[in-house]
Amino acid sequence: DAKTTQPPSMDCAEGRAANLPCNHSTISGNEYVYWYRQIHSQGPQYIIHGLKNNETNEMASLIITEDRKSSTLILPHATLRDTAVYYCIVRVGGSNYKLTFGKGTLLTVNP
Amino acid sequence: ETGVTQSPTHLIKTRGQQVTLRCSSQSGHNTVSWYQQALGQGPQFIFQYYREEENGRGNFPPRFSGLQFPNYSSELNVNALELDDSALYLCASSPQTVLNTEAFFGQGTRLTVV
Repeated sequence: DAKTTQPPSMDCAEGRAANLPCNHSTISGNEYVYWYRQIHSQGPQYIIHGLKNNETNEMASLIITEDRKSSTLILPHATLRDTAVYYCIVRVGGSNYKLTFGKGTLLTVNP
Repeated sequence: ETGVTQSPTHLIKTRGQQVTLRCSSQSGHNTVSWYQQALGQGPQFIFQYYREEENGRGNFPPRFSGLQFPNYSSELNVNALELDDSALYLCASSPQTVLNTEAFFGQGTRLTVV
């Protein structure tokens, strides 16, 4: 699986959009970009994933650049409960569900 | 709530002992993966079970072993515990037959080895 690079920490004001970047310059054509988050002392929670096109669900939006070498997770209206470590993971879609986690980005949402 | 339950939630063991951790997967999910998360680190893949067979293993020694049962629940066994085995152990389940879906994690078991 391709390696990802994320900033170690970011701050965001409550109610504002949080934009979390991820670089994955060695991504292969059959690798998907997944985002998970982990609130303190809980298990990771799936947020969103995509291959080429931008994706949106009830939690977030995922913007993938045209060359697929980077992506941005957008939380449109961050709340205090969104404070968590956010992991960007690149993996081949399919039968092997191994997830390779890095250290992620600690997002702190401030009142 | 993901439907994935792990037990116990916390455990303290002595170095050299053996431990068994349990995981009940979400209904309909036939694949279970185990992860170890040391303090301040991301989760690290231990192994995965699919239909009662090991289906992939990370860089962990043989004293880490597992089982999956016909109802798809799973156990993680660790023998000869070491101090460095102290970590949060996470179980994740997913439906193997559905491609490109997400994994659902339990809340984890916090193991402390003293």
